[in-house]
Amino acid sequence: DIQMTQSPSSVSASVGDRVTITCRASQGINTWVAWYQQRPGTAPKLLIYAASTLQSGVPSRFSGSGSGTDFTLTISSLQPEDSATYYCQQADGFPLTFGGGTKVEIK
Amino acid sequence: QVQLQQSGPGLVKPWETLSLTCTVSGLSIDNNYWSWIRQPAGKGLEWIGRIYPTGSTNYNPSLKSRVAMSVDTTKNLFSLNLSGLTAADTAIYFCAKGGMRRGDAAFDYWGQGTPVTVSS
Repeated sequence: DIQMTQSPSSVSASVGDRVTITCRASQGINTWVAWYQQRPGTAPKLLIYAASTLQSGVPSRFSGSGSGTDFTLTISSLQPEDSATYYCQQADGFPLTFGGGTKVEIK
Repeated sequence: QVQLQQSGPGLVKPWETLSLTCTVSGLSIDNNYWSWIRQPAGKGLEWIGRIYPTGSTNYNPSLKSRVAMSVDTTKNLFSLNLSGLTAADTAIYFCAKGGMRRGDAAFDYWGQGTPVTVSS
């Protein structure tokens, strides 16, 4: 299985801050990575696919980058509604696997 | 708009079989992959498997011996059966559109989630 290792596991930042979450794959996966946001009690929501393509309707403060084994999700200016857990997911090989999650809290 | 509506029991006895259904509206089930994903309370996401409308499936090897998925294109729905349940299968189960490899692969629509508890 392809392991996806996210860091940090949690981050606390102020409104307006830039927040960066990283995801490292256990082997090269080209750009086949997606990012999701999950608020408590709800289903995950797709933010980014193919490493850097913004899903329709997602605010432009979210961006993704990377290829090979190292990927990044950036929130350019943190907003109160961004308090959630974020997951990366690889789509290169079966079984499809997710990172362990990064909890983003607002100070 | 596209909606995935899940149905099924929230409480299942040990060693019994869990059966969940995901009814899709606003989009034909044809020409798309459909997946099941689960999440134990307070933990991360685990992909269970996917099905294509032809009936072709791919399952997570960790669950493969206990999983069966099916699709009913006439009713625009797909289903999950998970047998031999233990407490370790207690989780929220989600259905989702997606499960491709590579390309624009991602889970772009999700069901509301079904909390399932395995207990006698």
